[in-house]
Amino acid sequence: DGGITQSPKYLFRKEGQNVTLSCEQNLNHDAMYWYRQDPGQGLRLIYYSQIVNDFQKGDIAEGYSVSREKKESFPLTVTSAQKNPTAFYLCASSSREGKANYGYTFGSGTRLTVV
Amino acid sequence: QKEVEQDPGPLSVPEGAIVSLNCTYSNSAFQYFMWYRQYSRKGPELLMYTYSSGNKEDGRFTAQVDKSSKYISLFIRDSQPSDSATYLCAMREYGNTGKLIFGQGTTLQVKP
Repeated sequence: DGGITQSPKYLFRKEGQNVTLSCEQNLNHDAMYWYRQDPGQGLRLIYYSQIVNDFQKGDIAEGYSVSREKKESFPLTVTSAQKNPTAFYLCASSSREGKANYGYTFGSGTRLTVV
Repeated sequence: QKEVEQDPGPLSVPEGAIVSLNCTYSNSAFQYFMWYRQYSRKGPELLMYTYSSGNKEDGRFTAQVDKSSKYISLFIRDSQPSDSATYLCAMREYGNTGKLIFGQGTTLQVKP
């Protein structure tokens, strides 16, 4: 079955440590997105990518980095510069304009906690 | 002012009630409107999708878009405890950026 796989489901980070969250999709979608979700704040866009080897900052990109070397993969690195990284991270993908579904398909999320 | 406003709730209703969830928006260029349902500790799943104004019905769910008022609604008839979740509205402009703008989400609890 096609879908988006995020791993790990739970991740613990020590102060000053970089961690990478994995996101893989087999939907043949062109665009991929990373969101952060905090209680009471909804979804906030971190980075998005419409094609391979290209990505744009979202609303809260500071302290995060991404790469898009393959269509199927869009990993997110939470760097030590992100001062408050504890949150639920969601990856999503979508097809380009002109296809039937303009919505996003989401992964099941990664819960990151700073210890 | 946020582009999309949604009352976070929480909203608590008895089983069988009709639920009304709403969002307002400020960008008149929005053309595509969606509702997502998110269970606790899960990713959101697309529930309803509408283009421009009008109504769309799918089982117990009805989505309405009123572009003149910049107002969208999701109605749930005969609500069930399994409907307890956070409901997020989302919308975007026409074009190939694909970037959705989400509301804050409304938490719904349906009590048996």
